[in-house]
Amino acid sequence: DQQVKQNSPSLSVQEGRISILNCDYTNSMFDYFLWYKKYPAEGPTFLISISSIKDKNEDGRFTVFLNKSAKHLSLHIVPSQPGDSAVYFCAASGGVGDDKIIFGKGTRLHILP
Amino acid sequence: NAGVTQTPKFQVLKTGQSMTLQCAQDMNHNSMYWYRQDPGMGLRLIYYSASEGTTDKGEVPNGYNVSRLNKREFSLRLESAAPSQTSVYFCASSGQGLLAYGYTFGSGTRLTVV
Repeated sequence: DQQVKQNSPSLSVQEGRISILNCDYTNSMFDYFLWYKKYPAEGPTFLISISSIKDKNEDGRFTVFLNKSAKHLSLHIVPSQPGDSAVYFCAASGGVGDDKIIFGKGTRLHILP
Repeated sequence: NAGVTQTPKFQVLKTGQSMTLQCAQDMNHNSMYWYRQDPGMGLRLIYYSASEGTTDKGEVPNGYNVSRLNKREFSLRLESAAPSQTSVYFCASSGQGLLAYGYTFGSGTRLTVV
């Protein structure tokens, strides 16, 4: 029973355009939501996060949006660059006192020249 | 370099053999984790340790044991390897500030059981 779902296994976007990666979750007790980026043969690296008390968090080209009523979050990358080609994992945790992170299956993003 | 170090990077085992995957962090983090990554399955938690001296099962603990040797080191042991344990294993650690910093992951151990 997947608690964090990334329904798009892959996504192709033209360089310079916006990349939008989507994620749904089922557990309303999740308090923290995180995005990780992974290159082949490397470990995942932390990208950006959002607390359940916010609906938007921005860091440079990366913005995460949270819609709690829909149990949906999305990661926007603007503008997309070739180095953004990677697998992106959506993840969630119970927050303070519960540091275990549950990951989605990932979305492979291809940035096309 | 500060971070999480995993050894070995690659390993091939025969069915029934045992081995220990090593993980060490130098960030003074309290919590450490072992995940496995399989194609199309994302990252699944095997075991975790919230602090030195404590360990707990994650989502897929069967066939594995762990030891939190001290604050720095958290090892994962396969007592009798099976082909279903062929995977990429990642160790991670976290301190205070999960929302700000997330986990720090090692570069992984690619294990093949034949």
